[in-house]
Amino acid sequence: EVQLVQSGAEVKKPGESLKISCKGSGYSFTSYWIGWVRQMPGKGLEWMGIIYPGDSDTRYSPSFQGQVTISADKSISTAYLQWSSLKASDTAMYYCVRGEYYYGSGSYPEYFQHWGQGTLVTVSS
Amino acid sequence: EIVLTQSPGTLSLSPGERATLSCRASQSVSSSYLAWYQQKPGQAPRLLIYGASSRATGIPDRFSGSGSGTDFTLTISRLEPEDFAVYYCQQYGSSPPAYTFGQGTKLEIK
Repeated sequence: EVQLVQSGAEVKKPGESLKISCKGSGYSFTSYWIGWVRQMPGKGLEWMGIIYPGDSDTRYSPSFQGQVTISADKSISTAYLQWSSLKASDTAMYYCVRGEYYYGSGSYPEYFQHWGQGTLVTVSS
Repeated sequence: EIVLTQSPGTLSLSPGERATLSCRASQSVSSSYLAWYQQKPGQAPRLLIYGASSRATGIPDRFSGSGSGTDFTLTISRLEPEDFAVYYCQQYGSSPPAYTFGQGTKLEIK
């Protein structure tokens, strides 16, 4: 069974750094893109970026480029999303997702079949 | 950047009725690149439909997707109590990769 298990909720102050994690299991972690999706309180879904753990190829949404860093450690089947200096506006639920291909392969996945349970990040002074 | 606009914003129906949710793209989207998700309160989204019309594993056949070009539809043939949730459409654009979600349609019990 494919599972994406995320780290627990975090409460941080503005200016602090943070790294949250997403551990994949039940499949070959290095063979599927992992993405991150933000959901601000009461709002919709926003794609942040994706990483291919096999070679750490990473692509960002222009809205999040330079604001966050996505990484992966394939030795422990874990992807990460990190901030160097949090802002109150980073308060949100963050989901990791596994990318899937409609035709079974391609340059990048087209949709997201498996989702982590979400990590709630609260940034408040 | 392709913008997805979902309508209506809120849809009020009763169990047993048929629900029709719309997703309109600002530019033509390949049908292979259009997906639908369901999100219930306090839960992660769940994939319902990919490739515009293919049901994901375990999704009941009362859910169906259709459309092409700029207009896509999610239809729930007979609403069950557990279907009341928020629904999002999502499209994929390549080179560079980009994934856009619609703003969502809330399906509520009338």
